[in-house]
Amino acid sequence: DAGVIQSPRHEVTEMGQEVTLRCKPISGHDYLFWYRQTMMRGLELLIYFNNNVPIDDSGMPEDRFSAKMPNASFSTLKIQPSEPRDSAVYFCASIPGWDRGPSGANVLTFGAGSRLTVL
Amino acid sequence: AQSVTQLGSHVSVSEGALVLLRCNYSSSVPPYLFWYVQYPNQGLQLLLKYTSAATLVKGINGFEAEFKKSETSFHLTKPSAHMSDAAEYFCAVSLGSGTYKYIFGTGTRLKVLA
Repeated sequence: DAGVIQSPRHEVTEMGQEVTLRCKPISGHDYLFWYRQTMMRGLELLIYFNNNVPIDDSGMPEDRFSAKMPNASFSTLKIQPSEPRDSAVYFCASIPGWDRGPSGANVLTFGAGSRLTVL
Repeated sequence: AQSVTQLGSHVSVSEGALVLLRCNYSSSVPPYLFWYVQYPNQGLQLLLKYTSAATLVKGINGFEAEFKKSETSFHLTKPSAHMSDAAEYFCAVSLGSGTYKYIFGTGTRLKVLA
């Protein structure tokens, strides 16, 4: 398996522009997570999906952030309008559902991340 | 509520010396505990995990961690540091069944000195 695929790897944009980050989870994984990593706040969970349905979005910082999962193999995280304080590395991660087996069922597999810089 | 505390945001050790990275957790139920490693410009990778089986857990690259319920700790150790161990290490906790909110510590950056 190619693992969790994220794009773009790097994005530089100007304040006010719309940013869309993309993620392809591992095939067969039922859960997908979006995390944000900054020096100040560490790794924060933004939102997670189960079977394409958002389960917990309490970590989404504000209405400028939105996430969708239109099908089992694709998710987007959108920021509109972007601000300099949104600059961070955004990670996508996935796990199989609990009924897929005991040993690896709860290990997050991370993508390589999307580094966002908002000027 | 679950939480994870990693003591020391930066740790430096000499090559060949013992590595000890500290993690304490707070959880109202028996947790699942994890250590992840992040190399520069990469995502996090699993080092090892505790899921209520053996309290001493062995992971990849010679790392191990011991779950101590009485101390609510899950410290990561390696007997002899290698230059390639330089990375950032994250401790994480999950309640497991029924919830899927993995809470990460703030990370410890390990520097290995030649």
